[in-house]
Amino acid sequence: EIVLTQSPGTLSLSPGERATLSCRASQSVSSSYLAWYQQKPGQAPRLLIYAASRRATGIPDRVSGSGSGTDFTLTISRLEPEDFAVYYCQQYGTSPPWTFGQGTKVEIK
Amino acid sequence: EVQLVESGGGLIQPGGSLRLSCVASGFTVSSNYMSWVRQAPGKGLEWVSVIYSGGSTYYADSVKGRFTISRDNSKNTLYVQMNSLRVEDTAVYYCAGGRPAENWGQGTLVTVSS
Repeated sequence: EIVLTQSPGTLSLSPGERATLSCRASQSVSSSYLAWYQQKPGQAPRLLIYAASRRATGIPDRVSGSGSGTDFTLTISRLEPEDFAVYYCQQYGTSPPWTFGQGTKVEIK
Repeated sequence: EVQLVESGGGLIQPGGSLRLSCVASGFTVSSNYMSWVRQAPGKGLEWVSVIYSGGSTYYADSVKGRFTISRDNSKNTLYVQMNSLRVEDTAVYYCAGGRPAENWGQGTLVTVSS
């Protein structure tokens, strides 16, 4: 089973600042089958990024993903008020289980 | 518009059974990867199970042997049969479609307590 470790646990930033979130895998994620989700309180998760760097439908270009192998990054270039939420990475490779990271909370400083 | 609507949650005693349903509209369950993901109160997301379009099924170790994922193509509905429920199975259960999951339901709460 691939274990995903996200860091930091909490990121305290102001609107307009840049957010950089990390997701590290315990073994290589095949074909960059790595996704990022955003979740707000009381809501279902929303897919932001798939295949490590491809934006899902309707996701603004201030949100970007990068990385390969075992190290992946989600970057939000300029935080908007609606970006304050919890973010999860997930690997969905050819062999389940499809594990999630423990999440990073982006909070208003 | 894609909609996934879960139902079947509720309060159940430890050791009991429950079946959750997820009815899809604007989306074909049999043609997609369909997953169950759960979230314990105040905790993160936990992947539970997936059924492939070809019918293969996979489970998290925490539910293997107790949960069974299935679908009814004629009803365009996804199910999970949950047996031998434990207190630690208490969570909001989401159904999700796609690989990765682009479409999500609103979730249904399962509470396992005596």
